Amino acid sequence: DVQLVESGGYLVQPGGSLRLSCAASGFTFSRHWMSWVRQAPGKGLEWVANIKQDGSETYYVDSGKGRFTISRDNAKNSVFLQMNSLRVEDTAVYYCARESSSSWGHKYYYYMDVWGKGTTVTVSS
Amino acid sequence: IQMTQSPSSLSASVGDRVTITCRASQSISNFLNWYQQKPGTAPKLLIYVASSLQSGVPSRFSGSGSGTDFTLTIDSLQTEDFATYYCQQSHSPPFTFGPGTKVDI
Repeated sequence: DVQLVESGGYLVQPGGSLRLSCAASGFTFSRHWMSWVRQAPGKGLEWVANIKQDGSETYYVDSGKGRFTISRDNAKNSVFLQMNSLRVEDTAVYYCARESSSSWGHKYYYYMDVWGKGTTVTVSS
Repeated sequence: IQMTQSPSSLSASVGDRVTITCRASQSISNFLNWYQQKPGTAPKLLIYVASSLQSGVPSRFSGSGSGTDFTLTIDSLQTEDFATYYCQQSHSPPFTFGPGTKVDI
């Protein structure tokens, strides 16, 4: 079965750091962009970051630039999110998602078609 | 790119036809996806490229639109469709979601 399993969520104090992991199975991991999406308690979805198949391109939400780093290890079928200088407002469930694509003409369209169950990050003193 | 959705919530009955609107702050062509989320669970992809139905999603779901205005339609609402629906643009980073539309009874 195609599966994503997140781990690493924890209670951390403001200013602290945390590294989230996402283990993939059931598909060829190295062929897909991968994303992190978060959801604060009672709030909507917020896209956080994504990374290209070979790790050569990464993108971040503005609030994460300079604090978050997404990386991947294709040999271990895993993607990571290193979060530093954590703030109370980073408290959320963090989901890992696989991106797939469809090509129409010369354009490539990306969408998140497989999601993990999420890992909870709580930033509080 | 900012995404807005309307309404923010709606009440409907089984068998109703439901329409949710999503608007982008600038043209995104058809780089638009729709997701469904039920409480305590991960989001699920429904529609991609504005109107393509994801495999396994019932045909009562459909999407339309291009440019800045998009619509998700649910024909003959079923009990299992009561959830929150999000649009998301995949045109350019950051790949923003809309604020969501909650569909309840």
